[in-house]
Amino acid sequence: KNEVEQSPQNLTAQEGEFITINCSYSVGISALHWLQQHPGGGIVSLFMLSSGKKKHGRLIATINIQEKHSSLHITASHPRDSAVYICAVERSGGGADGLTFGKGTHLIIQP
Amino acid sequence: ETGVTQTPRHLVMGMTNKKSLKCEQHLGHNAMYWYKQSAKKPLELMFVYNFKEQTENNSVPSRFSPECPNSSHLFLHLHTLQPEDSALYLCASSQDFRLPETQYFGPGTRLLVL
Repeated sequence: KNEVEQSPQNLTAQEGEFITINCSYSVGISALHWLQQHPGGGIVSLFMLSSGKKKHGRLIATINIQEKHSSLHITASHPRDSAVYICAVERSGGGADGLTFGKGTHLIIQP
Repeated sequence: ETGVTQTPRHLVMGMTNKKSLKCEQHLGHNAMYWYKQSAKKPLELMFVYNFKEQTENNSVPSRFSPECPNSSHLFLHLHTLQPEDSALYLCASSQDFRLPETQYFGPGTRLLVL
């Protein structure tokens, strides 16, 4: 079982819909990241969370440390939001582990 | 533009070739990372350098050889690769590997081994 699980694996929605992508993890963490990967492969870091909620434009990320769960929401979705969204965690205790990644959620927003 | 650049963006090589991937960051970060992303698999951490010193090697085969001459540059030297090594290789950097800092990723090098 992966330490970081994302759902759904694939999501197709219509433009304008409210999108939710979920991430659950099974290890102690010091931070959780949401990343966006476009078809060319380049990755953009969207959020880093250790508690609560963050908002950037149409993107909202929340985390519940007790439940070991995070969600990424996209409001008023647009075709340019089509990408793979990856959840990644930093294990607590520090160390040089980098990030542990989920398998990603492939999002397609249709016009 | 994340401040992390990688070259080349695409590379095709035979199994007997020797090539190098280059990563450069202009963010003043001290930690740099190599990740491998194979199709339909999560990102895998390969190497971590902090202040030019290698601090992590996640059981990577010796045909991958990293080099970090200074805190701004990171290389991945490739030799006698196998077709299963074909993947996207991503470089990232962060301020310090011991802190929960955001990692900034380069665009990646898409490698095909024939």
